[in-house]
Amino acid sequence: DSGVTQTPKHLITATGQRVTLRCSPRSGDLSVYWYQQSLDQGLQFLIQYYNGEERAKGNILERFSAQQFPDLHSELNLSSLELGDSALYFCASSVGTANTGELFFGEGSRLTVL
Amino acid sequence: QQQVKQSPQSLIVQKGGISIINCAYENTAFDYFPWYQQFPGKGPALLIAIRPDVSEKKEGRFTISFNKSAKQFSLHIMDSQPGDSATYFCAANRGSTLGRLYFGRGTQLTVWP
Repeated sequence: DSGVTQTPKHLITATGQRVTLRCSPRSGDLSVYWYQQSLDQGLQFLIQYYNGEERAKGNILERFSAQQFPDLHSELNLSSLELGDSALYFCASSVGTANTGELFFGEGSRLTVL
Repeated sequence: QQQVKQSPQSLIVQKGGISIINCAYENTAFDYFPWYQQFPGKGPALLIAIRPDVSEKKEGRFTISFNKSAKQFSLHIMDSQPGDSATYFCAANRGSTLGRLYFGRGTQLTVWP
């Protein structure tokens, strides 16, 4: 158990809809990262937050947004969903800004868009 | 563009054998190279990592070999066990991008008894 909690584990929705994925980082971790895992693209970095502030942005679509709250949990919002958004979304956390690359991943939220 | 290229895509090894997974990168700014292990239904977990100032790092049955001039690194699993069956990802990171990891596409390892 990595200590990172993600909800929901599975989500099925329709095209055009909006969903919110939630992540609780390990106790004491200030950084939260979101990754997308798909068969087409593999594991792709989406965005990083550190102590409530956005620190790095990767291949995140404009239809997607995220935030980190004062209690350090994070939410990833996916809107105007398309079939291609179906993927496994991982949240990871680290104590600091993880220059060591040591991230602790949750078990993921599997999104299916029909 | 895939920043880290990984091969093979899948690997089948007999119990007790050596599993070898290879990765290559282009960006010389990368300064940290972790390997992650992922079991079905779980998130990736850090297995072992290396920095480019050393050519080899060993932890138990797992060894990373690093060739800076060739921009390649590999994972060797000695005495492979059925419990090692998982997907392995190599990754790279550079200090300026903090926790952003560039992952390889993964290698699905199956160790049969």
